[in-house]
Amino acid sequence: NAGVTQTPKFQVLKTGQSMTLQCAQDMNHNSMYWYRQDPGMGLRLIYYSASEGTTDKGEVPNGYNVSRLNKREFSLRLESAAPSQTSVYFCASNTGQNTEAFFGQGTRLTVV
Amino acid sequence: GDSVTQMEGPVTLSEEAFLTINCTYTATGYPSLFWYVQYPGEGLQLLLKATKADDKGSNKGFEATYRKETTSFHLEKGSVQVSDSAVYFCALKYNTDKLIFGTGTRLQVFP
Repeated sequence: NAGVTQTPKFQVLKTGQSMTLQCAQDMNHNSMYWYRQDPGMGLRLIYYSASEGTTDKGEVPNGYNVSRLNKREFSLRLESAAPSQTSVYFCASNTGQNTEAFFGQGTRLTVV
Repeated sequence: GDSVTQMEGPVTLSEEAFLTINCTYTATGYPSLFWYVQYPGEGLQLLLKATKADDKGSNKGFEATYRKETTSFHLEKGSVQVSDSAVYFCALKYNTDKLIFGTGTRLQVFP
């Protein structure tokens, strides 16, 4: 039972570098989400995708881009990393209705 | 816009104490409401949910009632255990729309 799989689990970047965080789910879910978690700020929505082929901005989209490659995969790209993007990133998915969202284990990203 | 407000933590309790974590929401419509729990080093897991007014969600001894009149969804447990120590998140969602979380409340239970 893989559920939601995120890679990598840890990453250190230098300011200005780019990288893509990968997320895949094997539950045939329509909706997928990217959040960042910072101390005292809870989970803030970066982008979400209500269905294959659609993406929408969340609360904090600046500095990020996303791609819903197919129904299974939803990637998050940092084009030019900044120290303010140091955070733990979580991917999640659900059926699209008011059902349980399943989360990945998170990616701890440090930008130096 | 829609939002969720939770009481700040940490909440520190002795084992077998009564727990309340407050959650209120602002929404233009009638969302579903959720409580998620995050154990150290892990992602979030659904604890319970309620999809309409006056519904009560319950799981593992935790309960929360969807109160439309007070726009609240407070989490309660009659007798906490050390194993309940975690961060608890209140959240709301409309059908196919985004899932919005509060800032989380850390619970620490001591023997």
